[in-house]
Amino acid sequence: QLQLQESGPGLVKPSETLSFTCSVSGGSIVNSNMYWAWIRQAPEKGLEWLGSIYESGPTYDNPSLKSRVLISVDTSKNEFSLQMASVTASDTAVYFCARHLLGDSSPDWFDPWGQGVLVLVSS
Amino acid sequence: AIRMTQSPSSLSASTGDRVTITCRASQSITDYLAWYQQKPGKAPSLLMYATSTLQSGVPSRFSGSRSGTEFTLTISDLQSEDFATYYCQQYYNSPWTFGQGTKVEIK
Repeated sequence: QLQLQESGPGLVKPSETLSFTCSVSGGSIVNSNMYWAWIRQAPEKGLEWLGSIYESGPTYDNPSLKSRVLISVDTSKNEFSLQMASVTASDTAVYFCARHLLGDSSPDWFDPWGQGVLVLVSS
Repeated sequence: AIRMTQSPSSLSASTGDRVTITCRASQSITDYLAWYQQKPGKAPSLLMYATSTLQSGVPSRFSGSRSGTEFTLTISDLQSEDFATYYCQQYYNSPWTFGQGTKVEIK
């Protein structure tokens, strides 16, 4: 059974770069023919898709984040990562990683999800 | 970006009730809609995709439908484990967007 697990710091200072890693177990990113995504949820708020990466590197990015987000994949470690630059308090959220299933021509829904990791942006 | 608007934002219901949640897209997304269930402190889990196709293991009391750009999630015979927040998500195009959620609470 495919499982995803996020890891990263729980506290980041404003203006710094936030970094998370998602480890994939129970299946391989290589030859998965899938995208791998990051989604966040601010406290008591809804879900916001941040970006997705294909196993070989092509990405989809959310333009609302104004190029602050960089997603990368390390197939040798079976993991993918998120970096978000210049964070502010509004970036405080639970960050989830998820498999982004590839449909006929582009990614579709998200399944499964990691358990999520809370990050607080505060000085 | 396609805007997804859910209603109501919350509702109270009793076990055994029939519950309906609506999600309206700001433009046509054909049947490219998924629903998720999220329980407190947990990650969302996929309920259904393609408007009405249940994910494996999801009980048949969950169903979905579409009329134009309005989508409906129906839970018949509400069970205690169904009290949660439900989100819709369009995958017609990027950026993939979610509704703001509907919290189903115990009456």
